[in-house]
Amino acid sequence: GENVEQHPSTLSVQEGDSAVIKCTYSDSASNYFPWYKQELGKRPQLIIDIRSNVGEKKDQRIAVTLNKTAKHFSLHITETQPEDSAVYFCAAHSQRVYNQGGKLIFGQGTELSVKP
Amino acid sequence: DSGVTQTPKHLITATGQRVTLRCSPRSGDLSVYWYQQSLDQGLQFLIQYYNGEERAKGNILERFSAQQFPDLHSELNLSSLELGDSALYFCASSVTGQGISGNTIYFGEGSWLTVV
Repeated sequence: GENVEQHPSTLSVQEGDSAVIKCTYSDSASNYFPWYKQELGKRPQLIIDIRSNVGEKKDQRIAVTLNKTAKHFSLHITETQPEDSAVYFCAAHSQRVYNQGGKLIFGQGTELSVKP
Repeated sequence: DSGVTQTPKHLITATGQRVTLRCSPRSGDLSVYWYQQSLDQGLQFLIQYYNGEERAKGNILERFSAQQFPDLHSELNLSSLELGDSALYFCASSVTGQGISGNTIYFGEGSWLTVV
């Protein structure tokens, strides 16, 4: 079945450093790759996404890259701040019924800790 | 506020009981996703509906069922509850069920279920 592997499971960086989280997916039909940030007990919040027709996307300190051939995508956070501390989830969405149905499968999550 | 409304926010029930979780998607969204998140666990995809029809299914137990009504709200029914069903249940919605169309998937605040 569809699977998304995410690494590392925990990541600790100093404030101002960069953080990189990597994901691989198994379903070649996946065409949409969002990243969510989740604070303890709260809902996942979308921080950036990328679609299969794009290789890279950037939004201020956050960037995502996609390599469809390798079925690999990554999240890059630069100039990290303590408020970036949270659990980050990657996900891959696969269409099953044209324009109506699909699975959004999540990775296992990365707990990012930014130390002041 | 994502615009996705979930009720109840918290629920405590006994083993063997049945509960119903309710979700109202964002205005205009036709697609609803359900997820289970156990303590320190990732987001497990349960099921997805589009405009009243089931369109994608994940690892949803036979004791669980869901439906989407004509007004587009959705309900997740959990029966014969076990201690292991204690979790945070999220509903998410999007305009369609197809990520590449440009629609984002937004999560509600979740329903905390505790089975005792």
